[in-house]
Amino acid sequence: TAGITQAPTSQILAAGRSMTLRCTQDMRHNAMYWYRQDLGLGLRLIHYSNTAGTTGKGEVPDGYSVSRANTDDFPLTLASAVPSQTSVYFCASSDRGGDGEKLFFGSGTQLSVL
Amino acid sequence: GNSVTQMEGPVTLSEEAFLTINCTYTATGYPSLFWYVQYPGEGLQLLLKATKADDKGSNKGFEATYRKETTSFHLEKGSVQVSDSAVYFCALMKRGTYKYIFGTGTRLKVLA
Repeated sequence: TAGITQAPTSQILAAGRSMTLRCTQDMRHNAMYWYRQDLGLGLRLIHYSNTAGTTGKGEVPDGYSVSRANTDDFPLTLASAVPSQTSVYFCASSDRGGDGEKLFFGSGTQLSVL
Repeated sequence: GNSVTQMEGPVTLSEEAFLTINCTYTATGYPSLFWYVQYPGEGLQLLLKATKADDKGSNKGFEATYRKETTSFHLEKGSVQVSDSAVYFCALMKRGTYKYIFGTGTRLKVLA
């Protein structure tokens, strides 16, 4: 079972450029999340989606946007990247109908904004 | 507000040593508590959880007990292995919100 697939694995991006981080899950989970992981800060929630067609802002949403057109995909877009967005980005999902408290994570995208 | 505080790392131990990683929390109400583990190059995965006071979560030889009186959820293992080398995250979720608060993570390195 693939679980959650993130792409790309890593990326170097020039400041001011846009980029979309892709996330796809094959578990039919209704809820999906985007986190960023920074040294000394742990994981912080950027955006989330409780179900297809809905999204919400997390703790650090500025500079990021998301969409949830269907159950499986939850892309994260940086419209105009800045160096402070250099981080490791993790997509996650959970099954609200089952153990909704358990998060399943992808392997992450390492993003460097120069 | 809700928060999680865990001990600074890195923690370096010899194989078969006893492990404790401290975690304390601040929360209103009665949150669920979790330990997640992140192996090198991978995403986090749930290690164990506890949903109410005095519950003990356990998995792969790791244990943690939900202590409401001390607002703690310390992770323990009696005998660590090299394969336990990873970053460990303590986390809480206020029931029904599905919003996690993660600690900053503690890196564990186990030497053969």
